[in-house]
Amino acid sequence: DGGITQSPKYLFRKEGQNVTLSCEQNLNHDAMYWYRQDPGQGLRLIYYSQIVNDFQKGDIAEGYSVSREKKESFPLTVTSAQKNPTAFYLCASSPRTSGRANTGELFFGEGSRLTVL
Amino acid sequence: DQQVKQNSPSLSVQEGRISILNCDYTNSMFDYFLWYKKYPAEGPTFLISISSIKDKNEDGRFTVFLNKSAKHLSLHIVPSQPGDSAVYFCAARKYSGSARQLTFGSGTQLTVLP
Repeated sequence: DGGITQSPKYLFRKEGQNVTLSCEQNLNHDAMYWYRQDPGQGLRLIYYSQIVNDFQKGDIAEGYSVSREKKESFPLTVTSAQKNPTAFYLCASSPRTSGRANTGELFFGEGSRLTVL
Repeated sequence: DQQVKQNSPSLSVQEGRISILNCDYTNSMFDYFLWYKKYPAEGPTFLISISSIKDKNEDGRFTVFLNKSAKHLSLHIVPSQPGDSAVYFCAARKYSGSARQLTFGSGTQLTVLP
């Protein structure tokens, strides 16, 4: 089945540690995204990548890093510089379509919940 | 500055009745609107969308209405079913040729009571 797989589903981290969240997709989508969800807030964009070996900062990139070495994979590292990392993290992908045909529809993974102890 | 607002954090309706979820936006550059549905511990899934050149789009039990002058859209679910209980996110696209320009609302938890 085609889809997006995020792992781990739950992760606990001590303060000062870096952690990496995995995101893999087999939908052959060019674009991939990382969002963060906090209680009572909408999804906020952390980083996105429209093509391999290229990525851009979203609205809340500080304290995070990403890589896009393969089309299928877009891991997110939450660094110790992220002041409030406890949140639900969602990875998404979309096919690369240009212009107004790109409606913005995203396909999401099941999410990873990170808790800092 | 929240450009997409869902002012009702929760809504409860009786099974079989209509559910109406509301969304307001402030940015007149938004030209496409989407609704996503999210169950606990799962990622959101796309539900229905509408272009700014339309005022209504229907898909089965789901209808989205857009009032551009009021910068308001609503999602109607008729009839509501217990399986519709989920968080519903409104999202808006600002055209730039890129899917990154999606702004999400904070979500509304819908509970359909049997």
